[in-house]
Amino acid sequence: QQQVKQSPQSLIVQKGGISIINCAYENTAFDYFPWYQQFPGKGPALLIAIRPDVSEKKEGRFTISFNKSAKQFSLHIMDSQPGDSATYFCAASNFNKFYFGSGTKLNVKP
Amino acid sequence: GAVVSQHPSWVICKSGTSVKIECRSLDFQATTMFWYRQFPKQSLMLMATSNEGSKATYEQGVEKDKFLINHASLTLSTLTVTSAHPEDSSFYICSASGQYGTDTQYFGPGTRLTVL
Repeated sequence: QQQVKQSPQSLIVQKGGISIINCAYENTAFDYFPWYQQFPGKGPALLIAIRPDVSEKKEGRFTISFNKSAKQFSLHIMDSQPGDSATYFCAASNFNKFYFGSGTKLNVKP
Repeated sequence: GAVVSQHPSWVICKSGTSVKIECRSLDFQATTMFWYRQFPKQSLMLMATSNEGSKATYEQGVEKDKFLINHASLTLSTLTVTSAHPEDSSFYICSASGQYGTDTQYFGPGTRLTVL
């Protein structure tokens, strides 16, 4: 059973546009929700993370929106740039164990 | 801060040999280290969790005798793939947590293993 469902699988956005990636989870015991960015052949890098007591967190062009009642959270990338082209993974954590989404490959067109 | 290194970054070995991959937290003490495996265009699959000085906890379906994990210090964990076979070829990534007492995991750059 997949603990975290991520969509879309792939996303194409024009430069300057907004990229939105969604994740949903079932286990209400999850208490930490990070997003990671991964470039080909590299390890994932932490982008931004949120805890369930907060509905939104913004860091630069990256924003996490969190809906506890719906058990959903999303990543918004404002003013998307070609350099943002990468695979993005959401995750949910409980007791230090991460459950990753299936990943979204983002392509930002110049 | 929160830098995790892996060595080697890529390795090619013959079938039947053993390969050791090192994972180091460079600027913090990692109370817990994790080992993941990632197939092309797929998500990360947790193989095992290790705490310093304790035996690793393996995920269901991961052969503990094949994937030996040692977490000898707060900054070093090693994964040894014993008697490697072509099906073990994959991208292996470690992560470490423990900085500032948070559960954030910081990932290493990964090791590409190719077994001929």
